[in-house]
Amino acid sequence: AQSVTQLGSHVSVSEGALVLLRCNYSSSVPPYLFWYVQYPNQGLQLLLKYTSAATLVKGINGFEAEFKKSETSFHLTKPSAHMSDAAEYFCAVSGSGANNLFFGTGTRLTVIP
Amino acid sequence: DSGVTQTPKHLITATGQRVTLRCSPRSGDLSVYWYQQSLDQGLQFLIQYYNGEERAKGNILERFSAQQFPDLHSELNLSSLELGDSALYFCASSSRDGDRETQYFGPGTRLLVL
Repeated sequence: AQSVTQLGSHVSVSEGALVLLRCNYSSSVPPYLFWYVQYPNQGLQLLLKYTSAATLVKGINGFEAEFKKSETSFHLTKPSAHMSDAAEYFCAVSGSGANNLFFGTGTRLTVIP
Repeated sequence: DSGVTQTPKHLITATGQRVTLRCSPRSGDLSVYWYQQSLDQGLQFLIQYYNGEERAKGNILERFSAQQFPDLHSELNLSSLELGDSALYFCASSSRDGDRETQYFGPGTRLLVL
């Protein structure tokens, strides 16, 4: 079975500070991991994905995530937060067979000017 | 813009009614997934279709059904609506990436049941 846990439903950072959003996964098969972002009143936008080609994955808008098998983690980071990063971020893992996504509960990022 | 379109954007209806949500996948994508996003349940997978055939079922209620047509658009039918069905319904289509898929989401349909 696949699942993800996102630690921290709300994270606040100052503009220009490091962003760290945590995601731990559980998977009975080699995981296929994703980060999606949801801006207010919008749909889900793919930020980045882990496909086993490289453990450090770079995504859009300056975000990146590192796959650590030993820690079963796939944390999302950005060196310097921008006001436009304020949104809800979802970590997801794909299931086996049907490839449907299992989502975490989301982390709402607030950026303080 | 993901290339996935959903209509309508908003829907307000009453308990006991039936509604149909529509989704058009990205050009060339054969798979369509439906998800429900609610405050208490979060984002949950409902059902997947691939090239017109049902491929997988998640936490979809018996009052809900879906289909995918020959032109690959999909419809999600929700009947005997209850207050708790109020949610954001997303459709996603997918492209294959090696042995796995990447899903691209539409803007969603916000359903309010009064």
